[in-house]
Amino acid sequence: DQQVKQNSPSLSVQEGRISILNCDYTNSMFDYFLWYKKYPAEGPTFLISISSIKDKNEDGRFTVFLNKSAKHLSLHIVPSQPGDSAVYFCAAMGLRVPGTYKYIFGTGTRLKVLA
Amino acid sequence: DTGVSQDPRHKITKRGQNVTFRCDPISEHNRLYWYRQTLGQGPEFLTYFQNEAQLEKSRLLSDRFSAERPKGSFSTLEIQRTEQGDSAMYLCASSWSGRLTGELFFGEGSRLTVL
Repeated sequence: DQQVKQNSPSLSVQEGRISILNCDYTNSMFDYFLWYKKYPAEGPTFLISISSIKDKNEDGRFTVFLNKSAKHLSLHIVPSQPGDSAVYFCAAMGLRVPGTYKYIFGTGTRLKVLA
Repeated sequence: DTGVSQDPRHKITKRGQNVTFRCDPISEHNRLYWYRQTLGQGPEFLTYFQNEAQLEKSRLLSDRFSAERPKGSFSTLEIQRTEQGDSAMYLCASSWSGRLTGELFFGEGSRLTVL
């Protein structure tokens, strides 16, 4: 069962514009949501997270929005830079979910920022 | 370098052979995770440890797979009688339970190719 879904496998954006990456989840018991960035031949690196009690978290060019009623979160990158080109994974974890502290990842969205 | 380190980075083996991967987490981290990633997929949870205790194993972890963390520090993941379907990137990650959001810090992965 795919509890965390990223339905867009790829996205292309012009440099300087906004990139919006989307993620849907099915389990309302998740407590935290995280975004990771992955370059080829490297492990994922943490970008930003959000607690389920918040609806927005911002860190520099990165903002994550959480819509609990829709079970949807999004990552906004503005302005987009060529160095942002990578695969982005969303992940969810729940302190109350059976299998506590297990992080569940989506399938990723490949972002390409065009110069 | 105080990040998560994995060894070897690449392993090519013949079907039926045994392989072992090692992970050294960030020193103060008490949780250690193993994930597997195949092309076009997100990281899939295999197992995790808190200190030396293995708290959860995925159904993906067949009886050919075994993981240990004998002294609550480094961990090994062994695959016996490898099959071509075991070809994947094996990712290790660590975190600190004292940090509630506990983002995972990943190593660069060990890529396994089974011929």
